[in-house]
Amino acid sequence: ILNVEQSPQSLHVQEGDSTNFTCSFPSSNFYALHWYRWETAKSPEALFVMTLNGDEKKKGRISATLNTKEGYSYLYIKGSQPEDSATYLCAFRGNMLTFGGGTRLMVKP
Amino acid sequence: GAGVSQSPSNKVTEKGKDVELRCDPISGHTALYWYRQSLGQGLEFLIYFQGNSAPDKSGLPSDRFSAERTGGSVSTLTIQRTQQEDSAVYLCASSLAPSGLYTDTQYFGPGTRLTVL
Repeated sequence: ILNVEQSPQSLHVQEGDSTNFTCSFPSSNFYALHWYRWETAKSPEALFVMTLNGDEKKKGRISATLNTKEGYSYLYIKGSQPEDSATYLCAFRGNMLTFGGGTRLMVKP
Repeated sequence: GAGVSQSPSNKVTEKGKDVELRCDPISGHTALYWYRQSLGQGLEFLIYFQGNSAPDKSGLPSDRFSAERTGGSVSTLTIQRTQQEDSAVYLCASSLAPSGLYTDTQYFGPGTRLTVL
């Protein structure tokens, strides 16, 4: 069983705050690291897929970095907005896709 | 175009009954996955279909769980003799590329919330 961990499990921030959270994964047999956003009552939505050590991806106020040698990825949100409230899932692509437990972000207006 | 759809959106059943959950993937997607999320847990892989190949059933938790994919499109997940620990959100996802292409993005349906009383 692959160990894909996300921290923190939940996070409360004020509107306008910048925040970041972590996904840690095995550093061997790495193919790709995916990030998804899952809003309540909606389907998980793909944010990024990263494959190379040192990759950085950006989508609006959200960005992600990847360190495959040490087995972690950070997701950053700049100037959080209430609509950013969701669970953010990372998924390690080895032989199959293994999801972390998610970080639940709540942004207070 | 249309996304992945699942039905029903909610299902309440009594312990011991059988249930069927349906997934309609995005047209043309060859790969289809079933996951579940139990309360407080991460997404748990259940089963994977790729084209006409034999499905990867390695994630099914017991022999009460089975799944079919007819005509390479619609899939049905069946849970026999449901137990309370089967209560979860069951998610279906599809992707265009086979899993050997490791950057394939999975597109998820809205899920079926199953409650076993």
